[in-house]
Amino acid sequence: NAGVTQTPKFQVLKTGQSMTLQCAQDMNHNSMYWYRQDPGMGLRLIYYSASEGTTDKGEVPNGYNVSRLNKREFSLRLESAAPSQTSVYFCASSEVSLGPYNSPLHFGNGTRLTVT
Amino acid sequence: QKEVEQDPGPLSVPEGAIVSLNCTYSNSAFQYFMWYRQYSRKGPELLMYTYSSGNKEDGRFTAQVDKSSKYISLFIRDSQPSDSATYLCAMSDGIQGAQKLVFGQGTRLTINP
Repeated sequence: NAGVTQTPKFQVLKTGQSMTLQCAQDMNHNSMYWYRQDPGMGLRLIYYSASEGTTDKGEVPNGYNVSRLNKREFSLRLESAAPSQTSVYFCASSEVSLGPYNSPLHFGNGTRLTVT
Repeated sequence: QKEVEQDPGPLSVPEGAIVSLNCTYSNSAFQYFMWYRQYSRKGPELLMYTYSSGNKEDGRFTAQVDKSSKYISLFIRDSQPSDSATYLCAMSDGIQGAQKLVFGQGTRLTINP
């Protein structure tokens, strides 16, 4: 059972380049999320998709776009990478996203991105 | 001021010690409190989940919530080297759920054999 799979695991970009981070889950979850993790800042939500066909901004959406391709897949795109986007990016999924928190997040193992 | 504050450590203790990890928060609307464990180069995984105030025990782990003080704790008894990881607290209200889940910075813990 793979859970949440992220690709690539590592990436180095030059300032101004673009790339797409891929995420897929096999748990039939409705909701999917993209977080970034930086030292001293904890996990911060970039975008989420409460259900197939919907996406919404999180705490730090600037510089990013997302696509919920289908129920399984949720991608994150950096159109013009900046050094401030150097971070570890985590995709997560859960059964639901609203209401009493009885639906834990399941995380992938992250993509380590460096922008030079 | 951050909504959730967590001492980043690092914290290093000998095997068998009792470990106490803590978070404070400012938002009185938080009702759901979680602890995630994150091994090096891996994603976080849910360890404990508590609703409102009180204690919850699961094996060697005990989660404690004091809403009057806006303070939560995770205790690890008989700590093992395999407990070495970063521990993240997280909190949410009962309405926005995971859409408004707030994480602490994480405490890096090392258990020395």
